[in-house]
Amino acid sequence: QKEVEQDPGPLSVPEGAIVSLNCTYSNSAFQYFMWYRQYSRKGPELLMYTYSSGNKEDGRFTAQVDKSSKYISLFIRDSQPSDSATYLCAMSVGAGGGNKLTFGTGTQLKVEL
Amino acid sequence: KAGVTQTPRYLIKTRGQQVTLSCSPISGHRSVSWYQQTPGQGLQFLFEYFSETQRNKGNFPGRFSGRQFSNSRSEMNVSTLELGDSALYLCASSAVQGVNGNTIYFGEGSWLTVV
Repeated sequence: QKEVEQDPGPLSVPEGAIVSLNCTYSNSAFQYFMWYRQYSRKGPELLMYTYSSGNKEDGRFTAQVDKSSKYISLFIRDSQPSDSATYLCAMSVGAGGGNKLTFGTGTQLKVEL
Repeated sequence: KAGVTQTPRYLIKTRGQQVTLSCSPISGHRSVSWYQQTPGQGLQFLFEYFSETQRNKGNFPGRFSGRQFSNSRSEMNVSTLELGDSALYLCASSAVQGVNGNTIYFGEGSWLTVV
């Protein structure tokens, strides 16, 4: 079983929809939780970062972390065609683990006009 | 400020050959990590270097190796290439080691095809 599980999709939504992306994990040592966006044939780009449990909002994006359930989510409001990409959740244990990130397999999102 | 630069961007190698990929981190960054991305396994951590020392290693065979130079540039080498090594190899740099993820930046990657 993978340490981080993510529904690969693909997920197709109409423009303006609210998108919910989720990951579950098994390693309770994870303290830092990130969401990356990856366009085709490009490197991952950091979207959101959260430390421990809680919510964080940045524009149309909201990240939620529930450490008690080992569950993280990314919400995208008013989705746009430019949001079409693969979304990757990533986690790290922090100082003891260096800069090692453990990724989910990614969810392909397509936002259609 | 220039981002993480990886070369070459695309390459094709024959099974059994070896390959060396290069990564120049963001200026001032001392930590460089390498990841392999495939459709089946996703992004998997290979290793991390900080100040020329390997600090972390993923679960890959010894055919995968790396090093970091005094100017923080890093190379990774794969020997005796196998078809399954075909992947996007990503380099990530960070200013320090072991800090939160918001300091980690990725390059565009090197696409390796083994035939």
